[in-house]
Amino acid sequence: NAGVMQNPRHLVRRRGQEARLRCSPMKGHSHVYWYRQLPEEGLKFMVYLQKENIIDESGMPKERFSAEFPKEGPSILRIQQVVRGDSAAYFCASSTLGASSITDTQYFGPGTRLTVL
Amino acid sequence: GQQLNQSPQSMFIQEGEDVSMNCTSSSIFNTWLWYKQDPGEGPVLLIALYKAGELTSNGRLTAQFGITRKDSFLNISASIPSDVGIYFCAGRTTGANSKLTFGKGITLSVRP
Repeated sequence: NAGVMQNPRHLVRRRGQEARLRCSPMKGHSHVYWYRQLPEEGLKFMVYLQKENIIDESGMPKERFSAEFPKEGPSILRIQQVVRGDSAAYFCASSTLGASSITDTQYFGPGTRLTVL
Repeated sequence: GQQLNQSPQSMFIQEGEDVSMNCTSSSIFNTWLWYKQDPGEGPVLLIALYKAGELTSNGRLTAQFGITRKDSFLNISASIPSDVGIYFCAGRTTGANSKLTFGKGITLSVRP
């Protein structure tokens, strides 16, 4: 059973370009979470999605950032008009039970390291 | 917002030694988790704790969920070189939109 997959692993963008980060959850997992990690910091929650629905986007900046988890295909985190401050590692996690279950376990992917020049 | 405090930022130990890490919060969590992150990789779950006072082991790792629900510790016994990495604590409340809150992590170095 393959783990959570993220691609690309490294992404370089110039200021003003768009960044698209993809996440394929573990097989059978219908809950996806995105986190951002700045250097020497812990992970910060961004958004929680189920298939075709955004459940909680309270951690996501209101502008330039969007996320989707379509019925078919991977979850996408999209950052428009990137700025230097967007440089970070972006992690996706998936789970089977969802955030309302106390024993829900999130499995993390290897992350995408975004560098904005 | 909720914050988890982990200190010190770095720890240096000799191979074979035991090490203990603490995590404290100003607010209550219903679940405490400990993750390890290797360079260039995502966090890997080590231990999950679901009840106040719970003590759980996973091989050489032991973790406890504090009685007040505002703290947890992780103990690694007989450390080995592959224990090197960043150890994060994370807490969750309950509810439909509960989310993981992470500490800043402790970087562990093990001298052979």
